[in-house]
Amino acid sequence: EVQLVESGGGLVQPGGSLRLSCAASGFTFSSYWMSWVRQAPGKGLEWVANIKEDGSEKYHVDSVKGRFTISRDNAKNSLYLQMNSLRAEDTAVYYCARGGYSYGYWGQGTLVTVSS
Amino acid sequence: EIVLTQSPGTLSLSPGERATLSCRASQSVSSNYLAWYQQNPGQAPRLLIYGASSRATGIPDRFSGSGSGTDFTLTISRLEPEDFAVYYCHQYGSSPLTFGGGTKVEIK
Repeated sequence: EVQLVESGGGLVQPGGSLRLSCAASGFTFSSYWMSWVRQAPGKGLEWVANIKEDGSEKYHVDSVKGRFTISRDNAKNSLYLQMNSLRAEDTAVYYCARGGYSYGYWGQGTLVTVSS
Repeated sequence: EIVLTQSPGTLSLSPGERATLSCRASQSVSSNYLAWYQQNPGQAPRLLIYGASSRATGIPDRFSGSGSGTDFTLTISRLEPEDFAVYYCHQYGSSPLTFGGGTKVEIK
């Protein structure tokens, strides 16, 4: 059974940093693109970043470029999102999803709240 | 950036009725790389349709997708109680990947 379990969310002050993790199981992690998608409270979905199977290609939405970095560790079956210089508008549930483009499997999400 | 506009914003229907949801793109979606997701409150989205018309694994055949270019449709032939939810379209043909604003299907 495919499982994606996010962790690392929480309350952080504006300008602060957080590192989200996604632990994958039930499939060959190193064979799939992976992505982060977020959803602000009461709002729609927004693609944040994706990363190729071997980590050689990474793409980020413009609003997070230079602040967020997606990465992965295939030996640990884990996906990460390093978030720096956080802003109030980054407040959202962050989902880890399997795939680089359409997403057949999602985690349950982890809530990031940016507030003073 | 491709902007996806979903309509209507809310659809009020009864169980057993047919639902037709629209997704219009601001420019042509490359290779019809258009997906539909269903989301219930407090849950992660679930993939229903990819490639504009292919049903994802385990999705009932009452869900169907159609369209090409800039106009796409999700049809639910007969609404079941579990189908009342929010639906999002999503284009993955060009970067940045974008989602529509969603259509809420509610019980009338």
